[in-house]
Amino acid sequence: DVKVTQSSRYLVKRTGEKVFLECVQDMDHENMFWYRQDPGLGLRLIYFSYDVKMKEKGDIPEGYSVSREKKERFSLILESASTNQTSMYLCASSLPGRGAYSNQPQHFGDGTRLSIL
Amino acid sequence: KQEVTQIPAALSVPEGENLVLNCSFTDSAIYNLQWFRQDPGKGLTSLLLIQSSQREQTSGRLNASLDKSSGRSTLYIAASQPGDSATYLCAVADDYKLSFGAGTTVTVRA
Repeated sequence: DVKVTQSSRYLVKRTGEKVFLECVQDMDHENMFWYRQDPGLGLRLIYFSYDVKMKEKGDIPEGYSVSREKKERFSLILESASTNQTSMYLCASSLPGRGAYSNQPQHFGDGTRLSIL
Repeated sequence: KQEVTQIPAALSVPEGENLVLNCSFTDSAIYNLQWFRQDPGKGLTSLLLIQSSQREQTSGRLNASLDKSSGRSTLYIAASQPGDSATYLCAVADDYKLSFGAGTTVTVRA
């Protein structure tokens, strides 16, 4: 079974702090994703990585950055946390595939519920 | 911009009844459609993935159909059980990106 592990289930930080959310997958997946989920807005893609050191912006990258130094690990960084970044953050991974070859399902972690005070 | 809609937003049925969940999308140029289940406070579990060239996929009591030209997918769950209570999300793939619906929250009453 695919295992996607997010380092924290719950996290409380203060405004202005630099926050790191970590995600590790154990299935040698090339693709990794970060989403946030908010009531009424659903899941929205923040960033995507299709290989080590490669990244692409999703729909809402403002205020976030990512790091992928190793294939199994994808980190989401809140450079200066703000209250509007309070949310549930979900990491996902999948085997390679884009466009017509994107026939691989995405596998999700359990999420990190982040509160910014 | 792809818009994905799921109707109804919530559904409550007695145990044993069949469930029918609907998903519609505005841009038919998709590569695949995926159905997920989400339990409260948890991540998403992939249920079924239908390629754009397929009409349906089945797994156990679950069956999902896809009509790409009309922008619709339906998830059927046969003989529902209380353990089926969860939020069901559909997502359509455009290149690498998934666009999600808001979900249908299902309650199966014992």
